[in-house]
Amino acid sequence: AAGVIQSPRHLIKEKRETATLKCYPIPRHDTVYWYQQGPGQDPQFLISFYEKMQSDKGSIPDRFSAQQFSDYHSELNMSSLELGDSALYFCASSIGATGGYTFGSGTRLTVV
Amino acid sequence: DAKTTQPPSMDCAEGRAANLPCNHSTISGNEYVYWYRQIHSQGPQYIIHGLKNNETNEMASLIITEDRKSSTLILPHATLRDTAVYYCIVRVAIHTGANSKLTFGKGITLSVRP
Repeated sequence: AAGVIQSPRHLIKEKRETATLKCYPIPRHDTVYWYQQGPGQDPQFLISFYEKMQSDKGSIPDRFSAQQFSDYHSELNMSSLELGDSALYFCASSIGATGGYTFGSGTRLTVV
Repeated sequence: DAKTTQPPSMDCAEGRAANLPCNHSTISGNEYVYWYRQIHSQGPQYIIHGLKNNETNEMASLIITEDRKSSTLILPHATLRDTAVYYCIVRVAIHTGANSKLTFGKGITLSVRP
C-alpha cells in the first residue's frame, strides 16, 4: 500500500541557509500535517492543510512557511536556519473524520 | 483537546501481554481516544482508536472505562519489536479545521525484555 513519502530523508544545512522539505500524502487523503521533533522531544504540531488551504497553525516559527499544491503534495520552507532547527520533521496525511493518521518516515534536518 | 496522563515507562517480558494505561479524566463526549507508537526515530504509527466501546484490531485491543475517564491499550503478546514510545491522544472527531491535529504528550516508553 502507498505510504506518505517524504524527501529528502536527510539534509545538512549551514546556519542562515534555506531548506525545503517535501511531502507526498497517500492518494485521496485530503489533509496534510507537519510536525517537528527535536532530540529527546515529542512531536510538535507545526501546520496543516485541508484541500490545499491552511487549516490550522501550531508553533511554527515565522521563518517557516508551507503550502499544499494542486497535486496535494506539500512543502515546508525554512529560511534563516538556526542550530535549534535541527530536528526530525514528519509529515502525516489523513482522510475522514475519525480515521488514523499515516506518518511518513521523516526528514532529519541537521543545521551546522 | 483533553489532556492525557501516562506513566513515563514500563516494561514487560516478551510473549506476555503489555497493558498500557492512560488517564483522560477531562475527556468530552465527542472526543475519541487514539493510540500511536513511535519506534526510535521512525514516524509515529497509528495503532487503534475508540469512542466508548472496546475495540480490537490485528495490533492491539483498546479498553475504555464506562465513564471514559481512562483507557488501557493491550498488546496481547509483546515482542521485542514492540519496544517503543506509546502515545495516548484524545481528539474531537472533526477532521478539518482547527481541531484536526494530534497533540502529542509525553507518552509511555515500553521496554520489552527477552
